[in-house]
Amino acid sequence: GAVVSQHPSWVICKSGTSVKIECRSLDFQATTMFWYRQFPKQSLMLMATSNEGSKATYEQGVEKDKFLINHASLTLSTLTVTSAHPEDSSFYICSATQGQIQETQYFGPGTRLLVL
Amino acid sequence: AQSVTQPDIHITVSEGASLELRCNYSYGATPYLFWYVQSPGQGLQLLLKYFSGDTLVQGIKGFEAEFKRSQSSFNLRKPSVHWSDAAEYFCAVGPTGANNLFFGTGTRLTVIP
Repeated sequence: GAVVSQHPSWVICKSGTSVKIECRSLDFQATTMFWYRQFPKQSLMLMATSNEGSKATYEQGVEKDKFLINHASLTLSTLTVTSAHPEDSSFYICSATQGQIQETQYFGPGTRLLVL
Repeated sequence: AQSVTQPDIHITVSEGASLELRCNYSYGATPYLFWYVQSPGQGLQLLLKYFSGDTLVQGIKGFEAEFKRSQSSFNLRKPSVHWSDAAEYFCAVGPTGANNLFFGTGTRLTVIP
């Protein structure tokens, strides 16, 4: 149980286009979802926290107009990278916490974005 | 401010040898502690976690970790490493639970035959 999926697993796009990444909790309702960014050989950096039905909370330094997060249901959150540029190329990972326990974050497999 | 330190960037061990990955944290109270493993190009998988109680925690894949309050440490151990254990290992601290995790910089494990 507690499986989180992401789609797509990888995406290549042209500079200036927007890319949407989906994060789904497959077998549980996720009250909170998190979006991380990971640069090669580095740790995870939390970008934002989203709760179903409310606006996401962004970490300092993360542009909310650049990285749009929508948590429309208890099983789906989306991250849209708007007007992507090569510096946005990275590995994006989502995670979710289960129900009210919120004791464990379950991570998705990640989405690799390459902006040309 | 809370922080997590994984002093070893890269560790190489022989298959069958024992393993210990170090993790030190800085936090005023006893936080929630986690170890995650990440295979290349993959997301993170939870190995084990500590919230309270017995300071020796058993996890999946034969891993265990011991919380030592006096040393502010939560080191990960495995008595006999398998080639499939080669991956990146992250220690994480959650001051208030899982909703606010701080990750260490990770330790890359290489297993040689």
